[in-house]
Amino acid sequence: DGGITQSPKYLFRKEGQNVTLSCEQNLNHDAMYWYRQDPGQGLRLIYYSQIVNDFQKGDIAEGYSVSREKKESFPLTVTSAQKNPTAFYLCASSSPGGRNIQYFGAGTRLSVL
Amino acid sequence: AQKVTQAQTEISVVEKEDVTLDCVYETRDTTYYLFWYKQPPSGELVFLIRRNSFDEQNEISGRYSWNFQKSTSSFNFTITASQVVDSAVYFCARSEGEYGNKLVFGAGTILRVKS
Repeated sequence: DGGITQSPKYLFRKEGQNVTLSCEQNLNHDAMYWYRQDPGQGLRLIYYSQIVNDFQKGDIAEGYSVSREKKESFPLTVTSAQKNPTAFYLCASSSPGGRNIQYFGAGTRLSVL
Repeated sequence: AQKVTQAQTEISVVEKEDVTLDCVYETRDTTYYLFWYKQPPSGELVFLIRRNSFDEQNEISGRYSWNFQKSTSSFNFTITASQVVDSAVYFCARSEGEYGNKLVFGAGTILRVKS
């Protein structure tokens, strides 16, 4: 089945620790996205990538980093510089262009110990 | 920033009632796309509909219908004869960016359908 797989489903971070969230897609999409969701707020864009080996900052990129070495994969690292990392993180993919629908994974819930 | 506003934070209805979720957006673009997504308790966003800015025809899909009015920058979503399975958070979004390749989301509306 084609889709987007995010892992792990739940993740706990200790203070000062970097953690990496995985996102893999087998939809053959060029574009991939990372969003953060906080209670009562919509999704906010962290980073996006339109093509392999290229990515751009979204609205709230500070404290996060990404890589796009393979078309299928777009991991997100939450660094120790992100002082309020507790949130629900959603990965999406699409064909490039505004008309194209973004499809989402099931999300990773990150909490701080 | 050009916002997407979903003024209804939470709506509660009894099964079989009709319910309308409001969405108002801001944009300076002449071409853009509007979307509705559903987020059930499992967390994954499920795509419901896409509409481009040049197509103001209303759309109906089963119990769902959408009313796009460019003059008022609104893209409202109506569920007819609501069911318990419709309980979810619903998000409205608009495309943005040089190639329209980013989405700006509203804050979402929590819909609770009681039996």
